Amino acid sequence: EAGVAQSPRYKIIEKRQSVAFWCNPISGHATLYWYQQILGQGPKLLIQFQNNGVVDDSQLPKDRFSAERLKGVDSTLKIQPAKLEDSAVYLCASSWGGGSYNEQFFGPGTRLTVL
Amino acid sequence: GQQLNQSPQSMFIQEGEDVSMNCTSSSIFNTWLWYKQDPGEGPVLLIALYKAGELTSNGRLTAQFGITRKDSFLNISASIPSDVGIYFCAGYSPGSARQLTFGSGTQLTVLP
Repeated sequence: EAGVAQSPRYKIIEKRQSVAFWCNPISGHATLYWYQQILGQGPKLLIQFQNNGVVDDSQLPKDRFSAERLKGVDSTLKIQPAKLEDSAVYLCASSWGGGSYNEQFFGPGTRLTVL
Repeated sequence: GQQLNQSPQSMFIQEGEDVSMNCTSSSIFNTWLWYKQDPGEGPVLLIALYKAGELTSNGRLTAQFGITRKDSFLNISASIPSDVGIYFCAGYSPGSARQLTFGSGTQLTVLP
């Protein structure tokens, strides 16, 4: 079974530029998550989708971050404009459903460096 | 938001030794999870705990859900080189049933 795919794996941009990340979840998984992992910290949830609807975006900095999952499968996360503090690994995860009994499977992440 | 305090921050051990790490919170959690993250990869679930007092094993790994519901422990017995990585505790609290909160991780190094 194929895992969660993410691209690109690495991205270097200058502050105030825009960037987008792509995620393809495990086939059949209805729930998709985007996490931000700053160096030396654990992942922090940014947004959770159930099919193509947003379940939780309480920790998403909505003035600069946006995400969509239009057809309930792939998802994109965008940052516009980027700040230095956005340098982090952005992890996508998916699960059959939401909640504690559904294991989240993580992709390898996209490492973003903002100069 | 919820915070999980994980200790120690890093550990250096000899191959064959046992390892213990723990995770504490000021508030209760309904579920405790332990993940391992290798460099350049996403976290992988090792053990899930759903009931206070529960003790669960996965090979050489054993984890416990603290009786107060505010802590959890992970033990690794007879460590081997491939145990190297960052171990994260994570949990779901009653007030955030959909939001998984992660600790800051324990970096484990196994010396030959």
